[in-house]
Amino acid sequence: ILNVEQSPQSLHVQEGDSTNFTCSFPSSNFYALHWYRWETAKSPEALFVMTLNGDEKKKGRISATLNTKEGYSYLYIKGSQPEDSATYLCAFSAGNMLTFGGGTRLMVKP
Amino acid sequence: NAGVTQTPKFQVLKTGQSMTLQCAQDMNHNSMYWYRQDPGMGLRLIYYSASEGTTDKGEVPNGYNVSRLNKREFSLRLESAAPSQTSVYFCASSDRRGGIGEQYFGPGTRLTVT
Repeated sequence: ILNVEQSPQSLHVQEGDSTNFTCSFPSSNFYALHWYRWETAKSPEALFVMTLNGDEKKKGRISATLNTKEGYSYLYIKGSQPEDSATYLCAFSAGNMLTFGGGTRLMVKP
Repeated sequence: NAGVTQTPKFQVLKTGQSMTLQCAQDMNHNSMYWYRQDPGMGLRLIYYSASEGTTDKGEVPNGYNVSRLNKREFSLRLESAAPSQTSVYFCASSDRRGGIGEQYFGPGTRLTVT
């Protein structure tokens, strides 16, 4: 069983704050690192899939970086909005399967 | 396109009963997956099918069987339900193998075993 860890487990921020989360994963047999956004009562939706060391991806106010040599990825949200409130999952692939971390639950207060 | 659909949305079973959870996708994806989601545990892979005609065990396969009926459909069967199988079950599909393609998730099935 692969160990994928996310920190922090939960985070409360004020509207307008910028924030970031960490995903740690094994540094060997790397295929891909995924980030998903999961709103309450909905299904997870993909944000990014990164495959190369040094990859940086951006979608609006959300961006992610990847370091496969040391086994970590950061997700950044700039100027958090209440609609950003969700659980953010990362998932590591060493082959055909994804192993998910436990998620970071973000709550943005207006 | 409906994306990934799952039936039923909710189900209550008694210990020892059997049932099949249905999943279908209309995106012509090759790979399909079944996950369970338990509080504090995140998503855990039960079984996956990298392509039509193949299935493989994931992290927590015990107590489950799967069938990749065709390219569109991937079902999950509980032969003799146990309270430990109370969970929310998600089906997902991807257009690329090797865990490289983003996964598209269905709405989930909430199963309670009493």
